[in-house]
Amino acid sequence: QSALTQPASVSGSPGQSITISCTGIRGDVGGYNYVSWYQQHPGKAPKIMIYDVSDRPSGVSNRFSGSKSGNTASLTISGLQAEDEADYYCTSNTSNSTLVFGGGTKLTVL
Amino acid sequence: QLQLQESGPGLVKPSETLSLTCTVSGGSISSSSYYWGWIRQPPGKGLEWIGSIYYSGTTYYNPSLKSRVTISVDTSKNQFSLKLSSVTAADTALYYCARQVHIAVFIAHFDYWGQGTLVTVSS
Repeated sequence: QSALTQPASVSGSPGQSITISCTGIRGDVGGYNYVSWYQQHPGKAPKIMIYDVSDRPSGVSNRFSGSKSGNTASLTISGLQAEDEADYYCTSNTSNSTLVFGGGTKLTVL
Repeated sequence: QLQLQESGPGLVKPSETLSLTCTVSGGSISSSSYYWGWIRQPPGKGLEWIGSIYYSGTTYYNPSLKSRVTISVDTSKNQFSLKLSSVTAADTALYYCARQVHIAVFIAHFDYWGQGTLVTVSS
């Protein structure tokens, strides 16, 4: 199975909004609504930010939102803050009952 | 509060078998709502799903690692384990264990993670 495609890096200024894309195929992102997003700060374990495409776990800021169109899922962070600077990964289940990660996106807050 | 803790050797020789255990505390590994998974991250690189197991023993593996991976569960000890055989330097990584939500027959997101343990493959 191939990794989901994410941009290697994105950047934005404090207060702005950014969007990170996650592209797969009909056999994963396009076929199911189990896309999730993780935030990982250096030296830390990943933290779930979005699950089931657009649901937010308790305690995650509502500045984080998720969506999906066709084979591409997206994570949007609004009102960018310095603490949002981290690596972000998407995942999706697949038609083969497996799980696939995206390659990761480094978010830089300018 | 659920906690997961990885344990095992930090150094493994090439061609040998990597063995790690994840101990779950603050909750039961026998919960019907969850799978339990292993994920790894080579230094400076991205996350890779290795595989997941249900308390009954049902497993799902990454096809690229399937021939070398065995994941098992010990409900009496509230633990699950990973064995990766015939390791090479490419298997050097930070290995995480995590709790995984499942929906019907689909494995989904990880909601609790261990802190990770670094395994280096070197002679």
